[in-house]
Amino acid sequence: AQKITQTQPGMFVQEKEAVTLDCTYDTSDQSYGLFWYKQPSSGEMIFLIYQGSYDEQNATEGRYSLNFQKARKSANLVISASQLGDSAMYFCAMREGTNDYKLSFGAGTTVTVRA
Amino acid sequence: SQTIHQWPATLVQPVGSPLSLECTVEGTSNPNLYWYRQAAGRGLQLLFYSVGIGQISSEVPQNLSASRPQDRQFILSSKKLLLSDSGFYLCAWSNRPGQAFSGNTIYFGEGSWLTVV
Repeated sequence: AQKITQTQPGMFVQEKEAVTLDCTYDTSDQSYGLFWYKQPSSGEMIFLIYQGSYDEQNATEGRYSLNFQKARKSANLVISASQLGDSAMYFCAMREGTNDYKLSFGAGTTVTVRA
Repeated sequence: SQTIHQWPATLVQPVGSPLSLECTVEGTSNPNLYWYRQAAGRGLQLLFYSVGIGQISSEVPQNLSASRPQDRQFILSSKKLLLSDSGFYLCAWSNRPGQAFSGNTIYFGEGSWLTVV
């Protein structure tokens, strides 16, 4: 079964607007972590934001925020005030347990920011 | 600060030829190391991870192998490449559990594009 589901293959957003990227996850572990990475066309994977399963507040990092809804098992990424440089592929990932840091990745969402 | 490098950045190899991708991490010690593969337009699949020198765990059966001859060096190899080995390979590192639990993000290298022809 898929551990991470990203249902939006691609999205368009107008510059300066906000965009929400969906991510749902499946785990039976009580301790887990959720990550978002950005992959521009160059291929590098850039860490954006992290949310721990025990964190009570939603994580924020600059223009990135994570809308964590534990009961619904969702961890949506919100990018505010989109910029042209935000155009990239975005991946949601999950680490389960505390013994290692292997990540399970979703299929990704391509974001294209329009001027 | 910690940095991770992998090379070569791109390579085109004929079917049946050997492969060696190298990855080194600087600025940390005793890291966990990972090799991921990304097929075109898809997410990442974990191939191997290592918690120490000589300790390799394989996640999926395949035509590839990994080695960790030094603490901060991780090598991905193949004796005979297949067409299906084509893809984008990413090396990554993280702290060990317990070293700095909060987040313990996995950080990725620049990636290596492999085309098997």
